[in-house]
Amino acid sequence: DTGVSQNPRHKITKRGQNVTFRCDPISEHNRLYWYRQTLGQGPEFLTYFQNEAQLEKSRLLSDRFSAERPKGSFSTLEIQRTEQGDSAMYLCASSLNGYTGNTIYFGEGSWLTVV
Amino acid sequence: KNQVEQSPQSLIILEGKNCTLQCNYTVSPFSNLRWYKQDTGRGPVSLTIMTFSENTKSNGRYTATLDADTKQSSLHITASQLSDSASYICVVSASGNTGKLIFGQGTTLQVKP
Repeated sequence: DTGVSQNPRHKITKRGQNVTFRCDPISEHNRLYWYRQTLGQGPEFLTYFQNEAQLEKSRLLSDRFSAERPKGSFSTLEIQRTEQGDSAMYLCASSLNGYTGNTIYFGEGSWLTVV
Repeated sequence: KNQVEQSPQSLIILEGKNCTLQCNYTVSPFSNLRWYKQDTGRGPVSLTIMTFSENTKSNGRYTATLDADTKQSSLHITASQLSDSASYICVVSASGNTGKLIFGQGTTLQVKP
């Protein structure tokens, strides 16, 4: 068990460019979540997967954002035509299933800076 | 609207002292409440999880309480250490098998020697 792994940890990109973040959950965890966190704020829900199925998406997830989890293992979060307001830390988390008492483990986050 | 509010926003205490952080929520229907510790620039780390039937849960020097009737929770830290300096976030999820967690803004704790 190596924990939730996120790559890259830091990304600086020019406005208008596309970026992609990858998340490798803890093995055998079938739930995977994406959150966004800006400085001084708590994380905000973006989306979550049960295996390969994307079950819920936040209204924060505009058309420029897309998340996938092919084969129910790793996940990618792509942001197209980045804007300065996209600058944030993108957190990935995983859990064994949706059982209410299960611990949700977070990765260390991927920092995005749009210049 | 489902919300989680924490107080105080920030707190400074001396090493060895105790402190209590507060969390009020309006999430309904309630499923569980979690406390996370987040070091600057790192991902949150789980401290406790409580369902509506649990009143208290301990994890070392951390003790969380839950009053589901008043929709309040507290996190008590005993004999604080310098390494306790971090943001403490209260997180509530609604029932219905949703994966959506609702986070508070966190309380930033600074422990000084």
